[in-house]
Amino acid sequence: KAGVTQTPRYLIKTRGQQVTLSCSPISGHRSVSWYQQTPGQGLQFLFEYFSETQRNKGNFPGRFSGRQFSNSRSEMNVSTLELGDSALYLCASSLEPVNNEQFFGPGTRLTVL
Amino acid sequence: GQQLNQSPQSMFIQEGEDVSMNCTSSSIFNTWLWYKQDPGEGPVLLIALYKAGELTSNGRLTAQFGITRKDSFLNISASIPSDVGIYFCAGRTKTSYDKVIFGPGTSLSVIP
Repeated sequence: KAGVTQTPRYLIKTRGQQVTLSCSPISGHRSVSWYQQTPGQGLQFLFEYFSETQRNKGNFPGRFSGRQFSNSRSEMNVSTLELGDSALYLCASSLEPVNNEQFFGPGTRLTVL
Repeated sequence: GQQLNQSPQSMFIQEGEDVSMNCTSSSIFNTWLWYKQDPGEGPVLLIALYKAGELTSNGRLTAQFGITRKDSFLNISASIPSDVGIYFCAGRTKTSYDKVIFGPGTSLSVIP
């Protein structure tokens, strides 16, 4: 069974631009969560999607948004990029939300210049 | 809010030594997860625990769900160089069961 895949793996953008990251969950997994990882803040929860609906949202500004498609693939978008958005963005999938093990993708390394 | 504390923050050990690390919280957890992350990669799930007192092994790794439900422990026996990485504990609490909370991580270095 293929694992969680994320594209692209690396991305360089400049301040003010916007970016879209993609995540394909493990086959059969319907829940997708997104995390931001930085050296200073660790792993911080962005949002979770299940059945194309956002179930949960972390404490991030509205510039961060996401969506999930009917095949469970998910995208997250960051608009008006700031230097502080430079981070490793991780996607994790699980069979269902709540009390299930999450499996992470390799992440997308975003650098904002 | 709910927070997880991990100790130690970092460890330097000789190859072949056993390693112990722990994760504590002031909140009650009903799921504990241990992950390992290699540089530039996403965390990989090592062990999942669902019941207080549960002891689960995965090869040389053993993790326990603390009896108080506020802590968990991970032990690595006979460490090898590929054990190097950052180990994260994570879990779901009884009150915020729909979110996984992550600890800050323990960085492990193994000296050959």
